[in-house]
Order: sequence, then structure tokens, then C-alpha cells
Amino acid sequence: DQQVKQNSPSLSVQEGRISILNCDYTNSMFDYFLWYKKYPAEGPTFLISISSIKDKNEDGRFTVFLNKSAKHLSLHIVPSQPGDSAVYFCAAMYSSASKIIFGSGTRLSIRP
Amino acid sequence: DGGITQSPKYLFRKEGQNVTLSCEQNLNHDAMYWYRQDPGQGLRLIYYSQIVNDFQKGDIAEGYSVSREKKESFPLTVTSAQKNPTAFYLCASSRYVGSYEQYFGPGTRLTVT
Repeated sequence: DQQVKQNSPSLSVQEGRISILNCDYTNSMFDYFLWYKKYPAEGPTFLISISSIKDKNEDGRFTVFLNKSAKHLSLHIVPSQPGDSAVYFCAAMYSSASKIIFGSGTRLSIRP
Repeated sequence: DGGITQSPKYLFRKEGQNVTLSCEQNLNHDAMYWYRQDPGQGLRLIYYSQIVNDFQKGDIAEGYSVSREKKESFPLTVTSAQKNPTAFYLCASSRYVGSYEQYFGPGTRLTVT
């Protein structure tokens, strides 16, 4: 049973435009939501997080939005750059727990 | 440079053999983790350790074993009991168990034939 779902395995966006990556979750008890980014042949790296008590968190070109009523979060990248081409993992965790639950990832390709 | 090292990058084994994957960190982190990634799936937790000489099973521990004799090292053994051992294995560390910022190594791709 997947608690964190990324229904789009891939996304292609033109350079300079907005990239929107989506994620749904099933457990309303999660305290934190995370995005990790992974380049080929490298391990994932932490990108941005949001607490369940917030609905938006911004860090430079990256903004994460949380809609608790819909159990949905999204990552916006504006403007998209070639270096943003990677696999993006959505993830969630409880503050009392010892593990992060990862989605299956979305491969983002930025085309010229 | 601080980071996590996993070796080797690619590993090939015959069915029925045990194999040990190496993971070393010099970040002075207390917590270490092993994940497995299969195509179309997210990272699934195999084992984690929050301190030397202590480790806990994750979601898919069957067929795997670990040790944590040193803070810096958390090797994973894939035993012959693991039914589908071919996968991409990622090691990670964090300052403490429960931290959402984990630092990952580059991974080891294990192929068992």
C-alpha cells in the first residue's frame, strides 16, 4: 500500500517555463513533506521540505505547496533550467518516526 | 570532503552466494540507513541504525543483515535467503534518526544471476 504516490513517471518542460511536480498521500498524520532530487549515478539529495502546519514554503526557484484537505502537495520550479533535469522524489514522515516514506519518483526533463 | 562512500558501484554475484555492500560516512552522523530501489518504485527501507551496535529492521529486512561496529561504517549483507536481490542499493546517513535531511551515497547496483 503506497502511502506516497507520484502518478506521473515523467514530465517534459521547456527551459524557462514552470515545472510542476505533483504528489498525493494517504496518511493525514504525516508531519513533514519532503522533496529529494536525484541525478543519474548519484544518490538523492534533499531539496526542500514543508511542515504540515504550513501551506507554502519557498526557497529560491523552488516552492512547495501543501493542500491538506486534498492530501496533495506540489513542487514548482520557476524558471526551469537544464540542470533541473533529474528524478524528483516526494516523501513524507512523522516527526516521531524513524523513517521517511518515499514516492516512486518523477523524471523531469527540461528541453531547450 | 565530507560525504558517504559506497563500494563497489556495480556488483555481480551468482545465485546462492552472500554478498556484502560497503557504506562509509565521514559526516559524524549518528544515524545510518539502507534502502533498496526497484524500477517504478520508491526507496524502501531495509535497515537503519541510530547508534553504534544498534540497528532496527525496516520495511523489507528479510534476507538482509547489517552490523554497526563503528560509527562510520554500516555494511549490508545480502544473503542467499533474499528472493529478489537484484536491485539498486542506497546507503544514507543523518545527524539523528528522525531527521528528514538524509545524505545519500551514490549507490551500488547488485546483479545476481
